Amino acid sequence: AQKITQTQPGMFVQEKEAVTLDCTYDTSDQSYGLFWYKQPSSGEMIFLIYQGSYDEQNATEGRYSLNFQKARKSANLVISASQLGDSAMYFCAMSPANAGGTSYGKLTFGQGTILTVHP
Amino acid sequence: ETGVTQTPRHLVMGMTNKKSLKCEQHLGHNAMYWYKQSAKKPLELMFVYSLEERVENNSVPSRFSPECPNSSHLFLHLHTLQPEDSALYLCASSQDASGAYNEQFFGPGTRLTVL
Repeated sequence: AQKITQTQPGMFVQEKEAVTLDCTYDTSDQSYGLFWYKQPSSGEMIFLIYQGSYDEQNATEGRYSLNFQKARKSANLVISASQLGDSAMYFCAMSPANAGGTSYGKLTFGQGTILTVHP
Repeated sequence: ETGVTQTPRHLVMGMTNKKSLKCEQHLGHNAMYWYKQSAKKPLELMFVYSLEERVENNSVPSRFSPECPNSSHLFLHLHTLQPEDSALYLCASSQDASGAYNEQFFGPGTRLTVL
């Protein structure tokens, strides 16, 4: 079984500053993927960034970077230069690699962190 | 057309009604998913379809009945729902259902209220 833990129910950050959203995971799988999604108040889940368990480099996508520490089983999201439009719920998720058809697309989500960006 | 669309965006229904949620993806993907998002709970995977075949059914009550007539369309048929089924229902698609290496793209969701 997989489990995602996001310990920060809410975070506040000043505009233009950086913020780190925490995510720890638990899995017995050797190969897996880690994802971050953003959910604005409109409801749509927006894919932000992906990290594979065998990737040696931390993933980056524009202002988003993933601080992946495999030994600690953590995959924190770093948002640099926060903008007002970054205010949303952020979800960390993971999925195992397909192993014999038993784990089809099975994204496991954390509880989410509400980020509020102050002007 | 945007990647994944869902209709209706909002739905209010009584417990004896029958309704359907529709999802359409314009990304050429082969896998589609239904998720349920209740207040203060993580997203729950309900169903997975790969190449129009259901490959995952996460112990979902039979009052939810999915249908995937082709790789671009996914329906969720609802009947005799309970108030606790009120939630945001999200549809997603991915290139295939191999899990770890395919990001899923989500639609805007249908906000369902069961009276």
